[in-house]
Amino acid sequence: KAGVTQTPRYLIKTRGQQVTLSCSPISGHRSVSWYQQTPGQGLQFLFEYFSETQRNKGNFPGRFSGRQFSNSRSEMNVSTLELGDSALYLCASSLVWGVHNEQFFGPGTRLTVL
Amino acid sequence: AQSVTQLDSQVPVFEEAPVELRCNYSSSVSVYLFWYVQYPNQGLQLLLKYLSGSTLVESINGFEAEFNKSQTSFHLRKPSVHISDTAEYFCAVSEGSQGNLIFGKGTKLSVKP
Repeated sequence: KAGVTQTPRYLIKTRGQQVTLSCSPISGHRSVSWYQQTPGQGLQFLFEYFSETQRNKGNFPGRFSGRQFSNSRSEMNVSTLELGDSALYLCASSLVWGVHNEQFFGPGTRLTVL
Repeated sequence: AQSVTQLDSQVPVFEEAPVELRCNYSSSVSVYLFWYVQYPNQGLQLLLKYLSGSTLVESINGFEAEFNKSQTSFHLRKPSVHISDTAEYFCAVSEGSQGNLIFGKGTKLSVKP
């Protein structure tokens, strides 16, 4: 069974631009969560989607948004990029909603904002 | 609000020595607790979790963690480490099954021959 895939793996953008990251969950998994990982702040929860609905949201500004499609694939979008948005963005999938279900993480998308 | 503190950012040990990676959390309600591991150039993987029941939980590769409610801790231990255990370990907590995961800053375990 293929794991969680994230595209692209690396991305370089400039301040003010917007970016869209994609996540394909493990086949059969219906929940997708997104995290931001930085050296200073560590791993921080962005949001979780289940059945195309946002079920949970972390403490990030409205520039960060996401969505989930009917095939469970998910995208996250960051608008008006800032230097501080440079990070590794991780996607995780699980069978259903709720942290008691094991989350399987993808390799991440490394975003660099110049 | 929930928070997770991993007291040691780096832990160097020699092979076959015991190790303890410390994790403390703050929460006023019941929690679920997790340890994740990130091997070099790999994604995060679940190592073990405490949801309910026995306070001592074990992983398949010899790690164990004990939930101590009075001390709000969930320390990870292994009696004898291997070179292959070199990785970054993250402790995480969630308030209930529908809360989100709050991660600690991570502890880099470096096992030397």
